[in-house]
Amino acid sequence: AQTVTQSQPEMSVQEAETVTLSCTYDTSESDYYLFWYKQPPSRQMILVIRQEAYKQQNATENRFSVNFQKAAKSFSLKISDSQLGDAAMYFCAYRGSYRGGSEKLVFGKGTKLTVNP
Amino acid sequence: NAGVTQTPKFQVLKTGQSMTLQCAQDMNHEYMSWYRQDPGMGLRLIHYSVGAGITDQGEVPNGYNVSRSTTEDFPLRLLSAAPSQTSVYFCASRRELMNTEAFFGQGTRLTVV
Repeated sequence: AQTVTQSQPEMSVQEAETVTLSCTYDTSESDYYLFWYKQPPSRQMILVIRQEAYKQQNATENRFSVNFQKAAKSFSLKISDSQLGDAAMYFCAYRGSYRGGSEKLVFGKGTKLTVNP
Repeated sequence: NAGVTQTPKFQVLKTGQSMTLQCAQDMNHEYMSWYRQDPGMGLRLIHYSVGAGITDQGEVPNGYNVSRSTTEDFPLRLLSAAPSQTSVYFCASRRELMNTEAFFGQGTRLTVV
């Protein structure tokens, strides 16, 4: 069974600085998808960024980028120029690629990010 | 676009009561699923559906029932509520294509007393 581990229950960063959230996963599949979701106090789950395992290039979305290390099964999220609105719980998630067995999103336990002014 | 709509947002039940959490999406997504979120646990899959008339169990299905009679709706039924079902419930949907992400509803906070 696939597992996702977020080893940092809480992180803090100063406004305008950079922070990296860690995520490791375990799978025997060669093709899969990885996601970072943000959950602010409103409770809404918001997709931040996604990565297809077959792509070697790291995904980037504005101030958010990932460091995807397939061999190490690592998928960290870097937030540059942190803003107060980035404060939230961040979840790393895995989904396999095979139809019929791929609907399950496996989530880590989350990292609570605090942004200090 | 309304996206994924869950009702109600909050609910308190007594042990043994039954109820249905509603989920509707207007994006014509084939796949829909229900997750529960508990403190320190992340989200865990309860049930999912890959199309109308097709449902399957996820990681924590016991005590819950689902059906999918239309593409748009995917209700979650609690048959006999227990305090262990106190949680935040999320409905999600996505297109069938492999590389698509899930869109989530705003969640239902359920308390069973």
